Amino acid sequence: DTGVSQDPRHKITKRGQNVTFRCDPISEHNRLYWYRQTLGQGPEFLTYFQNEAQLEKSRLLSDRFSAERPKGSFSTLEIQRTEQGDSAMYLCASSHQGGSGNTIYFGEGSWLTVV
Amino acid sequence: TQLLEQSPQFLSIQEGENLTVYCNSSSVFSSLQWYRQEPGEGPVLLVTVVTGGEVKKLKRLTFQFGDARKDSSLHITAAQPGDTGLYLCAGYRDDKIIFGKGTRLHILP
Repeated sequence: DTGVSQDPRHKITKRGQNVTFRCDPISEHNRLYWYRQTLGQGPEFLTYFQNEAQLEKSRLLSDRFSAERPKGSFSTLEIQRTEQGDSAMYLCASSHQGGSGNTIYFGEGSWLTVV
Repeated sequence: TQLLEQSPQFLSIQEGENLTVYCNSSSVFSSLQWYRQEPGEGPVLLVTVVTGGEVKKLKRLTFQFGDARKDSSLHITAAQPGDTGLYLCAGYRDDKIIFGKGTRLHILP
């Protein structure tokens, strides 16, 4: 399968713990995006990378959140000192800049439940 | 303020009926995409429209991009229970896509 893959698919953690999600984009896609989705809402933009550079961060991304893409391939999203309000599905997506219609492809998401 | 407004938010209709879902904005987008999402899964791309006035067909689904590239519609002909799901429109702007809240569609057998 050559789509966007995310790991883990599900994570249950206690409030105050740190969690890390990994995303492997489609091969040769130079852009990688993170979104967050809560029940009843569409996905909300968090941040995106072009190669290894983080080009934009949403105001939704508090200082407890950090994303990296060290070699311009896979990316990690870490949440420190988790809160119950962090419970959501975290979606990763990738695209090729200049591709037809700026199409962005999503992974299956990582569900986070903070108890 | 939601940049992309989708209507209706919920729609439940009988199998075989036709339906239209709308996606509206006051902003211009360089392209607009429609996704379908199943519970617990990521959005799956259905179509990308790029040119104002463009119409694309995907079997029983017809997508249209407004002439001014501010709005779009999705029309489903003879809806099937397998069409049930969350339909999301998303506009490409400033190097990222912005989503509407989605239309939750339920087709009754």
